[in-house]
Amino acid sequence: AQKITQTQPGMFVQEKEAVTLDCTYDTSDPSYGLFWYKQPSSGEMIFLIYQGSYDQQNATEGRYSLNFQKARKSANLVISASQLGDSAMYFCAMRPNQAGTALIFGKGTTLSVSS
Amino acid sequence: GAGVSQSPRYKVAKRGQDVALRCDPISGHVSLFWYQQALGQGPEFLTYFQNEAQLDKSGLPSDRFFAERPEGSVSTLKIQRTQQEDSAVYLCASSLRQASLSMNTEAFFGQGTRLTVV
Repeated sequence: AQKITQTQPGMFVQEKEAVTLDCTYDTSDPSYGLFWYKQPSSGEMIFLIYQGSYDQQNATEGRYSLNFQKARKSANLVISASQLGDSAMYFCAMRPNQAGTALIFGKGTTLSVSS
Repeated sequence: GAGVSQSPRYKVAKRGQDVALRCDPISGHVSLFWYQQALGQGPEFLTYFQNEAQLDKSGLPSDRFFAERPEGSVSTLKIQRTQQEDSAVYLCASSLRQASLSMNTEAFFGQGTRLTVV
């Protein structure tokens, strides 16, 4: 079964600190893509970062990096130097290559950044 | 427009009423997706269009749900005889390319329509 698991309902971090949001996935497809989206209270899903299953290096986008451990089927998001504006819901998602076209989302993690 | 636009932002419907939710994707985007997001949950796939063709409707929860994209641009999700369990945020997303061609097909989401059935 294709599934994304995010085990942290909520995370708290202080400004300027780094935080790791956990994500594990389950798929039997040999190739797949992994995504992280941010959903602020306004409701829009904002794309953050992408990792392909055959990518040799971990993806990075500014303050966001993806700690991809293929053998463990984990794709944790690391946010460095947290900012107050990072407070939001974060979703890990997967697109299996052969199982259709849709993104499969986890239940999300609420990140709260305090000053 | 610059992004994906959905209307209305909020809709309150009486149980049994029909509703229509509109999505204006980014101009030129081939792929269009509808997702349903229940409170406190992640989005769940409803249906996918490639241009005007509805290629996947496996996520539609019942035959009360119907979606169309007649000219390959604007899409409408219609829910007939709404029930309380239909209350959710309905998200539309579009992508530039055909989804099956590349896994790295970033989807741009709209702000969603929050449907409340009373």
